[in-house]
Amino acid sequence: SQQGEEDPQALSIQEGENATMNCSYKTSINNLQWYRQNSGRGLVHLILIRSNEREKHSGRLRVTLDTSKKSSSLLITASRAADTASYFCATIDYNQGGKLIFGQGTELSVKP
Amino acid sequence: ETGVTQTPRHLVMGMTNKKSLKCEQHLGHNAMYWYKQSAKKPLELMFVYNFKEQTENNSVPSRFSPECPNSSHLFLHLHTLQPEDSALYLCASSGGGSNRDYGYTFGSGTRLTVV
Repeated sequence: SQQGEEDPQALSIQEGENATMNCSYKTSINNLQWYRQNSGRGLVHLILIRSNEREKHSGRLRVTLDTSKKSSSLLITASRAADTASYFCATIDYNQGGKLIFGQGTELSVKP
Repeated sequence: ETGVTQTPRHLVMGMTNKKSLKCEQHLGHNAMYWYKQSAKKPLELMFVYNFKEQTENNSVPSRFSPECPNSSHLFLHLHTLQPEDSALYLCASSGGGSNRDYGYTFGSGTRLTVV
């Protein structure tokens, strides 16, 4: 079952620009996580934000969470060509078996 | 290397073949997962194992048969697959229990093609 839905589905920017990706989800959550996937490879965990947190930073990444709107955003500042990848949000609800459920992802292309 | 190793990386099999995918982690994690990633579709959770016990079977056809002999190893046995089963199969592990608030660690996946 799909939980998160990312917006936009695809994003193309120039190096140095900021990239913002949004995620909406449907049910209650304990935490929301963002992952990155390079083409055809496994996913890499980027950042986790708990349901009682509103904002979190990790290097060039900034994640926000609005539980009242059931939405999250991932901001990558000063993007680099190496940031080109697919980005997925995923949510987990421990009251529903603690399964990590993914959205469809945003394909980010950063042009040099 | 993420700490979760999947083999083989690529697999081509006929519809009458039997093959197995292997996943191994030595991160001390208690939970392991199989996900299926098809083109243009979200990752689909297939199976969940916690402490070697299967806790989730997400309505997966019986031609996919998981096996978890211990907390470090997870297999996915495949038989009489269909072409629509062609996908990237991803294994993941997580701490589980009191270490739940951490991300999952994924392997690099097995690219499966059914011919």
